[in-house]
Amino acid sequence: QVQLVESGGGVVQPGGSLRLSCVASGFTFTTYGMHWVRQAPGKGLEWVAYKRDDGNIQYYADSVKGRFTVSRDNSGNTLYLQMNSLRPEDTAAYYCVKDGGREVLLNWFDAWGQGALVTVS
Amino acid sequence: DIQLTQSPSSLSASVGDRVTITCRASQTINSFLNWYQQKPGKAPNLLIFSTSSLQSGVPSRFSGSGFGTDFTLTISSLEPEDFAIYYCQQSYSLPLTFGGGTKVEIK
Repeated sequence: QVQLVESGGGVVQPGGSLRLSCVASGFTFTTYGMHWVRQAPGKGLEWVAYKRDDGNIQYYADSVKGRFTVSRDNSGNTLYLQMNSLRPEDTAAYYCVKDGGREVLLNWFDAWGQGALVTVS
Repeated sequence: DIQLTQSPSSLSASVGDRVTITCRASQTINSFLNWYQQKPGKAPNLLIFSTSSLQSGVPSRFSGSGFGTDFTLTISSLEPEDFAIYYCQQSYSLPLTFGGGTKVEIK
């Protein structure tokens, strides 16, 4: 079955950097778009970033644009999120999420990781 | 950005009750509306995609309907394991957005 395992979360000071990783298994990683979605403690869900299956297209939420970079290593079935210039409002659980298709629109999030907690303080 | 407004934000219901949650979009999103269930301390789980398609493995007591700007998630007969928070999400345009959530609690 589909498995998404995040790592790399932790506590970081404001202005610092952190890189999240997500190792995927149980599906053909190279044929699906992938996302990062975050959830601040006790709050709702916020889409953060998307990377297309071939790695050639990415999109970001305005709240992270210019600070976060999403990348993927298709040979290693791994999705990354490089987070720079972190702010206290970036504190959240970050979920690695599989798209139901290839493109960013018109699909759905059909598998989620367990989440990686990032605390900026 | 497309805003999704869920109502109610919370509700209390009993096992066996029929529950309906609504999601209203700030502009038309055709049928590109999905529903997720989240239990405490867990990641969200896809229930329904494209307004009314049931995700594999999801019980048939869950159903969805709607088009354009108004959508509903219905649980025909609430089971103990259904007490959770439910989120709608649109995939019609960027940024992808979620509703604020509806918490279903035990009466």
